[in-house]
Amino acid sequence: ETGVTQTPRHLVMGMTNKKSLKCEQHLGHNAMYWYKQSAKKPLELMFVYNFKEQTENNSVPSRFSPECPNSSHLFLHLHTLQPEDSALYLCASSQDSNEKLFFGSGTQLSVL
Amino acid sequence: DAKTTQPTSMDCAEGRAANLPCNHSTISGNEYVYWYRQIHSQGPQYIIHGLKNNETNEMASLIITEDRKSSTLILPHATLRDTAVYYCIVNRDGNYQLIWGAGTKLIIKP
Repeated sequence: ETGVTQTPRHLVMGMTNKKSLKCEQHLGHNAMYWYKQSAKKPLELMFVYNFKEQTENNSVPSRFSPECPNSSHLFLHLHTLQPEDSALYLCASSQDSNEKLFFGSGTQLSVL
Repeated sequence: DAKTTQPTSMDCAEGRAANLPCNHSTISGNEYVYWYRQIHSQGPQYIIHGLKNNETNEMASLIITEDRKSSTLILPHATLRDTAVYYCIVNRDGNYQLIWGAGTKLIIKP
C-alpha cells in the first residue's frame, strides 16, 4: 500500500465513450501527477498539479482532460480516445517537486 | 537534464547481492541520483536517492563514484520478489520532468 489509490484498475472503452480515471492520495502531499506507460516505452509525464494548480502539460492531446479539485484528488477525463491511447495510466504524488514519487497501481486502459 | 545509461537486463542468484550499474556522465552538480523499481503490472516504487555520499536504507545501498558520473544500486540479499525493472534517474530540485529510460530488467533466479 503506497498511500495512492487509483480506480478503476482496468478499463475497456470504445472510441466514442467518455470515462474518468480517479486518483486519491492519503499522504498529505502537495503535488500530483499523471503518467502514461505504453507497452515497451518509458514512462511519459502527462500532467502535474502543485497545490491544485496545473504546472506542467506535456503537449497532451485535448481528449485527455485533467482535473484537480483539491490536493488529495486527481482525475483524468477521457473522451473520443484512439486505440493508440491504450496504456497503463499511473498517478503519483510527492511532497514537493524533487521529493520521491509515490505511485498508485495504475489503470490499465484498452481502447477498442 | 542529464540522461542515464543502464544495462538492458541482468540475472542474479537468490540470496546473493545484486549490483545494478548506472552511468550518468553528464550529471550536473545540483542533480540527485534516484532509483525506482517497477514490479510487473504495478506502479514504480521509490528505492533510494543520493547526491554525493553513499546512502543506505532498509531496501538497498547506493554507491556514487567520487566524480558522480556513475552509481551502483546494491540489493544485499536478493529475493525472488526483487525481480523487477530498475530505473536510475537524475533530477534537480524544482524539476518535475523526470526522464525515465528503459531501466534494467533484473531477474532473480532460485
